Amino acid sequence: QMQLQESSPGLVKPSETLSLTCNVSGGSISGFYWNWIRQPPGKGLEWLGYIYYSGSTNYSPSLKSRITMAVDTSKNLFSLSLTSVTTSDTAFYYCARGRAGTYPFDLWGQGTLVTVSS
Amino acid sequence: SYVLTQPPSVSVAPGRTARISCGGNNIGDESVHWYQQKPGQAPLLVIYYDTDRPSGVPERFSGSNSGNTATLTISRVEAGDEADYYCQVWHSSTDWVFGGGTKLTVL
Repeated sequence: QMQLQESSPGLVKPSETLSLTCNVSGGSISGFYWNWIRQPPGKGLEWLGYIYYSGSTNYSPSLKSRITMAVDTSKNLFSLSLTSVTTSDTAFYYCARGRAGTYPFDLWGQGTLVTVSS
Repeated sequence: SYVLTQPPSVSVAPGRTARISCGGNNIGDESVHWYQQKPGQAPLLVIYYDTDRPSGVPERFSGSNSGNTATLTISRVEAGDEADYYCQVWHSSTDWVFGGGTKLTVL
């Protein structure tokens, strides 16, 4: 049974780059769309973007200038980088599995809290 | 951009029916998914493509979508249904978008 697990440094300084990895276990990363979603504490969900296993990406317009996603099929993982972070980027970050078209996110990681603070 | 509007909160007594709305311009033309999120947990898909239920989700959960409103209905509400609920749509103008979320309180 496939599982997703996010990993992150936990604390990032303002103006630096936030880097997250989502490890996929129990199945192949191939054939799926891999999404990142974040949730500021006490607030709602925000979709950040996705990367297809082949490497093609689609980013939220609001973050497009600061975000990069990558995939490593040999290690069965994908990653998120967010540059020039501010305290507004403090949130729980989730990775989630999707498929083509309008298919929902049917599998989520447990989430990881990233705090932006000096 | 496409906006989904949910009521911030809904309260219901145990055993009664809860209805959570998700408003959007011609949302009936889109496919709506619903997620349940309990404190400290990741969201969990409970309804997809307006009316379908994933394996393991109780039949008490159902969905509908028409016109400008999609609705998640929870029948015979239990204390364990207390959670935040989010609707989600893929729209050509915004890609994936979530509603603001509704906190369901079981009285």
